[in-house]
Amino acid sequence: ELKVEQNPLFLSMQEGKNYTIYCNYSTTSDRLYWYRQDPGKSLESLFVLLSNGAVKQEGRLMASLDTKARLSTLHITAAVHDLSATYFCAVDMGDYKLSFGAGTTVTVRA
Amino acid sequence: GAGVSQSPSNKVTEKGKDVELRCDPISGHTALYWYRQSLGQGLEFLIYFQGNSAPDKSGLPSDRFSAERTGGSVSTLTIQRTQQEDSAVYLCASSLATGGYQPQHFGDGTRLSIL
Repeated sequence: ELKVEQNPLFLSMQEGKNYTIYCNYSTTSDRLYWYRQDPGKSLESLFVLLSNGAVKQEGRLMASLDTKARLSTLHITAAVHDLSATYFCAVDMGDYKLSFGAGTTVTVRA
Repeated sequence: GAGVSQSPSNKVTEKGKDVELRCDPISGHTALYWYRQSLGQGLEFLIYFQGNSAPDKSGLPSDRFSAERTGGSVSTLTIQRTQQEDSAVYLCASSLATGGYQPQHFGDGTRLSIL
């Protein structure tokens, strides 16, 4: 059974500083997704990572995938308030079903 | 709109009643998924439809849960004889193709509360 672990589960960020969220998974996969969820809202797709070494960047967010280490990271540069949300990684097990991590709840403070 | 549409947005019902949740996928998306998001279990896969193929029901937690998809578009998730542990947000997602190369686009969900 595929296990997806995110850490930390809660992250209090100070505006302007850099932070990283980690996503480890237990079995081989070369497709990983990052989603954002605002309170009371649905999931918004952020990144699709399709191969080892893939790196995607959008604004202050950058995601990378190391399939050998079974690790993805979501790096936040110079945090700002509107990045406050819950971030999920999800691993495609190769048969279209996504297995999600528990989510990282991010709060950005001044 | 252009996104995945779910209805109702909120549903409160008594234990033992049946409920139907509806999902309208993005036009042209052949793959449709149901997930459940609850405090204790996080996000769990429930069922998957791809075109006219038989659905993958491997994630359904019990035989009280069923789903159908008519005409390759709208899907209905039915929960019979609801129990309190069925309380959760039920999310529907659709994608252009199977799994890995396209992100799944999620609706806003139906928040189900069983009294």
